[in-house]
Order: sequence, then structure tokens, then C-alpha cells
Amino acid sequence: EPEVTQTPSHQVTQMGQEVILRCVPISNHLYFYWYRQILGQKVEFLVSFYNNEISEKSEIFDDQFSVERPDGSNFTLKIRSTKLEDSAMYFCASSTSVQETQYFGPGTRLLVL
Amino acid sequence: AQSVTQLDSQVPVFEEAPVELRCNYSSSVSVYLFWYVQYPNQGLQLLLKYLSGSTLVKGINGFEAEFNKSQTSFHLRKPSVHISDTAEYFCAVRGGGADGLTFGKGTHLIIQP
Repeated sequence: EPEVTQTPSHQVTQMGQEVILRCVPISNHLYFYWYRQILGQKVEFLVSFYNNEISEKSEIFDDQFSVERPDGSNFTLKIRSTKLEDSAMYFCASSTSVQETQYFGPGTRLLVL
Repeated sequence: AQSVTQLDSQVPVFEEAPVELRCNYSSSVSVYLFWYVQYPNQGLQLLLKYLSGSTLVKGINGFEAEFNKSQTSFHLRKPSVHISDTAEYFCAVRGGGADGLTFGKGTHLIIQP
């Protein structure tokens, strides 16, 4: 069964450094999403992406964040200058359309020191 | 804007007993409702969803949920749990034209032998 994959599974970085989290969505899916879950808190929507542009973003998704689909398979989330409060589990998801089920990857655990 | 409340952070249940995990939502528009499950060290997997039609929806692994519009609830049930059902369960809502899912804080289902 096709699945969403994410790399790395864990990332440790120093405050102020840039990080790029990578996702490979399911191959025939057209919508891509990023969510995050700070330890002990809710899973929160960050951004959705369709047709090579941002479709919707939450108030969390500020200028420090950017998303890109650099080739036909990868979907990336970049955090320009990490802060301590960016430490969280980041989930990528994809769907065939915005109405259809979102399939989630296993997540990348980011720790900012 | 939507919100989701899962009142129980943990629910301990004996094996083969029935279980109900509660979910209430608030929204000013029509919503689509979802239950996701997260097994340890894995991503979020869809259990079931309500989009329209019959208010009783059946999902994988013997789970079902009932959409109650008047009570704004979407409680998850299983008549007889198994040790393998130990996991974190998340209720989520997507409303109106929004792309992103709004999640509850999750309920940790603990199955006791």
C-alpha cells in the first residue's frame, strides 16, 4: 500500500539554524500538507499546497516557514532560523483532492537546542 | 473557526470490554469529521470519517462512530477492545472551505489485560 514517507525521522539543530524537513507524498496525490505537534499539545495545521503554490496557511505559518516542491516527488518544509519553540513533531500529509482523506507520514521529530 | 474537544486524555479499559471515546466539536459551518489513530512511533492513520449521509459510520478494526448534529458530537466506539488497540486516538474536523484539519488533543486508550 502506498504511503507518505518523511526524512529524517529525528533532527537536532541549534537555535538560529535553518532546517529542511522532507516528505515524499503518495504519487498520485495533488494536495500536500504540513502539520506540527508540540509535545503534549494538539496536532496543528500549518499549510496546504496545491498546483505549486500555497493554498491555505495558518497563523503559525509565518515568514520563518516556507514550502516547496522542488521536483516531482519531494515536498519540503523549511524553517529559516529555528527557535526553541519550533521543537515539535512535524507531520506531512497528502490527498488526491481537498475533500478526500489526508494520509499522514510518520513524522519528523525536531529538537531545537 | 472550528474547535474540537476530547474531554478524556486517557481511557483505561479491560481487554474485551466496550469503549467509547468522546469527541465534541464546534463550528459555524457544515463540517466533515474524522477519527485518526496513532500507534507508537507511527504516523496518523485514518480510522473512519463522516462526510454526509448515514450518521453511523463504520471504520477499520471494528470501530464505529455516530455523528450527532444536535449534540455536536462524534463519539468513537468499539464493542470489544483488544490489546492491539492501545494507541492515541485523535478526533478532527474540517469545516467549510478549509483545507486543514483541526484536531483535538487526543485520547490515550490503555487496554488492561
